[in-house]
Amino acid sequence: DAGVIQSPRHEVTEMGQEVTLRCKPISGHDYLFWYRQTMMRGLELLIYFNNNVPIDDSGMPEDRFSAKMPNASFSTLKIQPSEPRDSAVYFCASGTGPQETQYFGPGTRLLVL
Amino acid sequence: QKEVEQDPGPLSVPEGAIVSLNCTYSNSAFQYFMWYRQYSRKGPELLMYTYSSGNKEDGRFTAQVDKSSKYISLFIRDSQPSDSATYLCAMRAGGTSYGKLTFGQGTILTVHP
Repeated sequence: DAGVIQSPRHEVTEMGQEVTLRCKPISGHDYLFWYRQTMMRGLELLIYFNNNVPIDDSGMPEDRFSAKMPNASFSTLKIQPSEPRDSAVYFCASGTGPQETQYFGPGTRLLVL
Repeated sequence: QKEVEQDPGPLSVPEGAIVSLNCTYSNSAFQYFMWYRQYSRKGPELLMYTYSSGNKEDGRFTAQVDKSSKYISLFIRDSQPSDSATYLCAMRAGGTSYGKLTFGQGTILTVHP
């Protein structure tokens, strides 16, 4: 298996632009997670899905952030409009309950100028 | 105050040393405890998983949980340069909160030859 796939791996954009991050989970996994990692705040859970349904989005920082999972093999995290404070590494992870193993993708490094 | 506190280090040790990494937490509902290892510019990967109090050993790694003190530890014996990474503790409550992991800040470890 190729593991969790994320694209793009790096993104540089200007403040105010829309940013879309993409994730393909491991086939057969029914949970999908979006995290954000910064030096100041560490690794934070933004939202997670179970069977394509959002279960908990309490970590989404504000309305500028939205996430969708239209099918079992694809999810997006969108930031509109982007701000410099959104600069971080965004990780997607997938897993299958009730085990605790979450398999992380390589991350997307986002820089908002 | 953060729910999970972890000394970010950095920690530098010679090859062969015993390494002790620790986290404290405040939420008494946490029942599942994990250690993730994250190499530079990679996603975290699960290293150890324990439920409730006690010890768990896996090769050179030992995880300890003391729920009465709200304190968890990871010990690495005979440390190797390949152990150089950031180590993140993670935990979650029981019940229906599967997926909602709370991570520590991460401890940066360097093992020098």
